[in-house]
Amino acid sequence: GQQVMQIPQYQHVQEGEDFTTYCNSSTTLSNIQWYKQRPGGHPVFLIQLVKSGEVKKQKRLTFQFGEAKKNSSLHITATQTTDVGTYFCAGLGTALIFGKGTTLSVSS
Amino acid sequence: NAGVTQTPKFRILKIGQSMTLQCAQDMNHNYMYWYRQDPGMGLKLIYYSVGAGITDKGEVPNGYNVSRSTTEDFPLRLELAAPSQTSVYFCASSYRSYGYTFGSGTRLTVV
Repeated sequence: GQQVMQIPQYQHVQEGEDFTTYCNSSTTLSNIQWYKQRPGGHPVFLIQLVKSGEVKKQKRLTFQFGEAKKNSSLHITATQTTDVGTYFCAGLGTALIFGKGTTLSVSS
Repeated sequence: NAGVTQTPKFRILKIGQSMTLQCAQDMNHNYMYWYRQDPGMGLKLIYYSVGAGITDKGEVPNGYNVSRSTTEDFPLRLELAAPSQTSVYFCASSYRSYGYTFGSGTRLTVV
């Protein structure tokens, strides 16, 4: 079945440093979605990417969808303590299949 | 606008007991889902529904059952609870497959 893999599993940064998480699928994706889950919270939708090579920005967050539609990345510029949480990518099959997530911790 | 409401928030079950996790949404979404989340394992799809009267299995359906008699409600039934079902359960809904809205979760412990 479809699998979505994310790396790294954990990342610790100093406040102000950049952060990137990568997502790879075993199959071509019709779209990919990104979610953020704060500690003790529930996943919250961030963005959806649909087109090959698509790049979208949300303030300090940049999302990319690979040309082959099998990989994606999330880059955060100049991290802040409010960025702490787990970031999940999810590929759409009959329903979303989630990766295991990248947990980001930020020290000030 | 409450979004997706899950009850209860916490529950402790004994092995072999049964329970129903409730999920209701007020956004008129046709699509609804149940996921479980274990530490470090991401979210695993249990069951999903694309409309009232239609349900289908996800990645990990064994030990669970669902029904969808109305657009708003999508309860998840656990029969004969086992320790392996200790997890956090999230219900979600969406307009078609775009941008899932998750409930706040039910933390279940089976002892």
